[in-house]
Amino acid sequence: GAGVSQSPSNKVTEKGKDVELRCDPISGHTALYWYRQSLGQGLEFLIYFQGNSAPDKSGLPSDRFSAERTGGSVSTLTIQRTQQEDSAVYLCASSFSRDDYEQYFGPGTRLTVT
Amino acid sequence: GQNIDQPTEMTATEGAIVQINCTYQTSGFNGLFWYQQHAGEAPTFLSYNVLDGLEEKGRFSSFLSRSKGYSYLLLKELQMKDSASYLCAVRGKGYSTLTFGKGTMLLVSP
Repeated sequence: GAGVSQSPSNKVTEKGKDVELRCDPISGHTALYWYRQSLGQGLEFLIYFQGNSAPDKSGLPSDRFSAERTGGSVSTLTIQRTQQEDSAVYLCASSFSRDDYEQYFGPGTRLTVT
Repeated sequence: GQNIDQPTEMTATEGAIVQINCTYQTSGFNGLFWYQQHAGEAPTFLSYNVLDGLEEKGRFSSFLSRSKGYSYLLLKELQMKDSASYLCAVRGKGYSTLTFGKGTMLLVSP
């Protein structure tokens, strides 16, 4: 079946602009995660959605970052007033449930802020 | 908080065996994961350990010692396609999220 998809695959934006990154999880997966991977760094947790529960936003680096998940499926990560340090690959992952040990990752969105 | 350490780079020869170590310090523990990530691609799941001991899956095995905060990934009969970054990750209390190490870049040479 289809895996996790993300769009766009690449995004170049000017400093100060807002960007939206989209994630389509695997159908039926209730848990959805956003991570950020900067050059030379490990994956950094950003936010986690589980079903209809309130999301775990503990990893969001600043209030310029927000995310929503509509209808328990598609998720959008929004970065407002982008800064150069926001340049990274943003990865989305989903799993069947929070207890499922395997997270399936999407191909990522490479964000470059100029 | 959680801290995960793994070597930055390793090199090995095709056909050999390599062991990638990972040490962790966490508040709560609900499993240790290994992921493989080829350059420019998404991470893919390799293994999961929640109890002490060795889990074997084909050419790959993963070991966990919870008392020592230590795990390793063992790759046997190395192939060129095994050249990738290997990410160690720990799930802490609450089951929700994974904390990843910075990854070990493995280069397999002929």
